[in-house]
Amino acid sequence: DAGITQSPRHKVTETGTPVTLRCHQTENHRYMYWYRQDPGHGLRLIHYSYGVKDTDKGEVSDGYSVSRSKTEDFLLTLESATSSQTSVYFCAIRTQGTEAFFGQGTRLTVV
Amino acid sequence: GQQVMQIPQYQHVQEGEDFTTYCNSSTTLSNIQWYKQRPGGHPVFLIQLVKSGEVKKQKRLTFQFGEAKKNSSLHITATQTTDVGTYFCAGRDYGQSFVFGPGTRLSVLP
Repeated sequence: DAGITQSPRHKVTETGTPVTLRCHQTENHRYMYWYRQDPGHGLRLIHYSYGVKDTDKGEVSDGYSVSRSKTEDFLLTLESATSSQTSVYFCAIRTQGTEAFFGQGTRLTVV
Repeated sequence: GQQVMQIPQYQHVQEGEDFTTYCNSSTTLSNIQWYKQRPGGHPVFLIQLVKSGEVKKQKRLTFQFGEAKKNSSLHITATQTTDVGTYFCAGRDYGQSFVFGPGTRLSVLP
């Protein structure tokens, strides 16, 4: 699984609170991605990174920010969680061959 | 922006029957990838197609990329219960990002 670890695996949080999800990789891949998965929508790209401190927005970036201060870590922050952000979040990396390897996912519930 | 659609959304088959899912893009693609996600799991890369009209096989799975590079299909021959899951296509339109389709959920009845 390309050495990808997501934490936490499950989280329940209250509306309006900040939440940070972590993605850690052990194989020095340049490209890292955050997706959310919701029924009927497949996987939608939130943000991605193409290097340390180099990030860009995806198709559903509103309400999310990211940071990548080290090659191995890519953090996703919900500044003020809303119920519409209840979802399963997947981190992924891309190899030189462009195939994506996904982490195990984080199930986030905003109540 | 680029949109990727998949049909059908759900498919229930009897074990041993064939299964096909179709993927259509609103724009011409540079390449397309297919992933499988088991229930409760994460997406796992299956294959990448790059050339117009390309056909690739993996045991009982046949993947095809359309001549116009705007559509693709995945065909499974003689389904087994181990084929259960959701199959996603992901297309790239010469940019850096892949856009995923909504997926086709396959159920296989023993």
